[in-house]
This record gives sequence, structure tokens and C-alpha cells, in this order.
Amino acid sequence: DAGVIQSPRHEVTEMGQEVTLRCKPISGHNSLFWYRQTMMRGLELLIYFNNNVPIDDSGMPEDRFSAKMPNASFSTLKIQPSEPRDSAVYFCASGSRDRDSPLHFGNGTRLTVT
Amino acid sequence: AQTVTQSQPEMSVQEAETVTLSCTYDTSESNYYLFWYKQPPSRQMILVIRQEAYKQQNATENRFSVNFQKAAKSFSLKISDSQLGDTAMYFCAFILTGTASKLTFGTGTRLQVTL
Repeated sequence: DAGVIQSPRHEVTEMGQEVTLRCKPISGHNSLFWYRQTMMRGLELLIYFNNNVPIDDSGMPEDRFSAKMPNASFSTLKIQPSEPRDSAVYFCASGSRDRDSPLHFGNGTRLTVT
Repeated sequence: AQTVTQSQPEMSVQEAETVTLSCTYDTSESNYYLFWYKQPPSRQMILVIRQEAYKQQNATENRFSVNFQKAAKSFSLKISDSQLGDTAMYFCAFILTGTASKLTFGTGTRLQVTL
């Protein structure tokens, strides 16, 4: 298996622009998590899905952030409009209902908003 | 709510020596899993070791082992025979059993292995 695949690897955009981050979880995993990592706040859980349904989005910072999981093999995290304080590394992770299977992380997307 | 605390922001160890990273957590639940993840400069998050709360035996994985003290809610990571490639951020993480639970991370410990 190729693991969790995130794209793009790097994204540089100007303030006010829309940004879409993409994630393909590991086949067969039914939980998907979006995390944000910054120096100041560490790893923050933004939202997670179980069987494509959002379970907890309390970590989404504000209405500018939205996430979707239209099917078991694809998820997006969208920021509209983007702001410089959104600059961070965004990780996607997937897991299985079998709790012996830990979360597997993608390589992250480094977002820079200028 | 569950919390995970890593009280050592940075640590340093000489190559071939042993180092222990500390982690404490807080929960009122009894069924959960604990993990240590490693994040090298490449920023990839790599699972190092995991521990099921219902198991009394401490998990080991080659040079990595844990000291799991359930009553004290402590979960430390011991790295033996440290190698330069062990230089990374180490995150302790906690998840309740159950399909709708989420993984909660500590703030991390930056480990530097020196010659």
C-alpha cells in the first residue's frame, strides 16, 4: 500500500485566496483525521471522520475552514479566504476500526500564506 | 476530556547512551491505547511503539521500550543505544477505544543525539 497520500506537498498562496488540501487515506481504513501543526500550538486536531461522516469538527478554527469526505478514498480541507496565520503544516491521517491499527500519517502539506 | 503532557521540551543524549522521555496523561476511562510517534526533520510522523492499557507487560520494539504505569498515568519511552538517526521530535499520544475516538497528542520532546 502506498500509505496516506497528501497533495500538494507545498503550497504558497496570497492572503485572500482559496486553498484546497487533498488526502487519500489507506484503502480499508474508515477513520480519517486532519491535523494542523505549528510551532506555537503543536499538533491540533481539526476534524475527523468515521465512515465518511464528520464526527467532531470542534477543532476547526473558524468558518473559513471546511472539510469534506465524499467517499472512503478521498478527503479535502479547504480554507477560504486564507490568512497568514493559517500558515502551518497540515497532516492527514487514517486509521481502522481495529484499534490494534494505529493512525498512519501522510507526509503533510506545508502551507504558506503571504 | 483527555490530556497528554510532555514536560521535557528538549533533551540531548550521546550516541550509544540511553535516554528516557517522559509522558503523563489524564483520563477517567480505563480502556485506551498509548503511542509514541517520531517526527524527524523530514516531518514524516512515524509510529515508534504502542501500548494497550489492558496489558500489564511493557511494550518493546528493538531499542525502544516503554515504562507504562497505569495507576500513575505515566508512559515513558526509553531509547537504548541511541543513534544519530534517532534525532527527532517525539510525541506521546493517547486514544480511547471505540470507533469515534480521536488521537490526542502531547506537545513533543525534541531529542538531539550527539557524537
